[in-house]
This record gives sequence, structure tokens and C-alpha cells, in this order.
Amino acid sequence: EAQVTQNPRYLITVTGKKLTVTCSQNMNHEYMSWYRQDPGLGLRQIYYSMNVEVTDKGDVPEGYKVSRKEKRNFPLILESPSPNQTSLYFCASSLLGAASGSIEQYFGPGTRLTVT
Amino acid sequence: GESVGLHLPTLSVQEGDNSIINCAYSNSASDYFIWYKQESGKGPQFIIDIRSNMDKRQGQRVTVLLNKTVKHLSLQIAATQPGDSAVYFCAESLPGGFKTIFGAGTRLFVKA
Repeated sequence: EAQVTQNPRYLITVTGKKLTVTCSQNMNHEYMSWYRQDPGLGLRQIYYSMNVEVTDKGDVPEGYKVSRKEKRNFPLILESPSPNQTSLYFCASSLLGAASGSIEQYFGPGTRLTVT
Repeated sequence: GESVGLHLPTLSVQEGDNSIINCAYSNSASDYFIWYKQESGKGPQFIIDIRSNMDKRQGQRVTVLLNKTVKHLSLQIAATQPGDSAVYFCAESLPGGFKTIFGAGTRLFVKA
């Protein structure tokens, strides 16, 4: 089954304790992206990656890091989490538009993070 | 900054009626627009898309209209069903499709 998986689905942590949220897709997609979703603000893009070792900032990259060492994985790293990073996080993947003519993104189930 | 907005945060319709969800976008350089549906506890799911060289596209029970003159996007759902109850997001992508900007979302309630 074609899917995007995220782990963990729920996480409660304390300020300053480094954490990683994993994301994996099995569709051989070049493009992957991380979003955070907050009430009234919709989804805001954190980072995206066009392919292995190619990443770039989205609209809200502060406090986050990403890496793309393998095509299927795109982990989101919070080196020193703070309470304002409490949010619902989504990973997504897609083919690149030029190749497919469509760049609909496939989303994971989400990770709810609480930083106290 | 650039943003995609929605005119109505909540829409309530009777089962069987048609629904229209509106969206305004601000970046005239955007060339690709997408509607996503998000059900409770799930990630957004693609519904339909449209490129800037089109003004209308139809899918199964859904139609997207694009008016570039006023930077307006709408999603029409025909014969709305209880299963259509969800939050709907419009999104725009700049050329290349690397950056995607989402609107705040509209919650659709379908009354039986």
C-alpha cells in the first residue's frame, strides 16, 4: 500500500530535550515536505526537499532541522524544543511537477507534539 | 507575506444540496492550485487541482473554478453527502511546485 508514515504519532516532551520525528514514504517520490498545523493558521511549510541531499526552507523553518540522506526518509529534528513548537506536524511527499504534470502531495497521519 | 485565505471559516449545508467553498490567493505568480480535504484525525487528502492556464476543472462530484483576474478559487461539491463533512483547504504553489502555501481552512458541516 502506497503511504507516508510518521513516528511517533503522539509525543509529550520538555523544553530543550532534542527529539526527532521520522517520516518515510514508499512511493519513490522525489519531493518531501514538513508542515505544522495550528488552529486558525492552516498548514505552514517548515522545510522541503527536492531529492536526496537537497533541502530548502519553507515559511517557518526556525527551530527545526531536516536531513535527506535517503530518498524514502525525511526526518524532522528539533534540537531544543520550546513550547511554541507545540503543534500538529505533517509530512508529505509527491512526484516533482515537471515529471508528473501533477504535484498533489500525499500526507502522513500526523504527529501531535506537546512541549512543556 | 503571501497568503491564501478563505472567505468563510464554517459552512453548513443540507444533505443533497450543492456546496461552494471559496478561497482568495494573493500571489499572482502561483501557477498551480489544489484543494485538500482533511477529516478529523487524518492528514489532508487531495481532492482536485487546477493549473493557471485553466479556469475550470471537473472531477467526480467536484468542480474547481479559477478566476485569475480577481485571484479567486472555488470548490463546488455537488449533492453534498454526510461523508463530505470535513475541513477543506485550498493551496497554491509557485512555479516549480516546491513551496506550497495553504489557506486557513473551511469546515463543512452536512446536515442530514
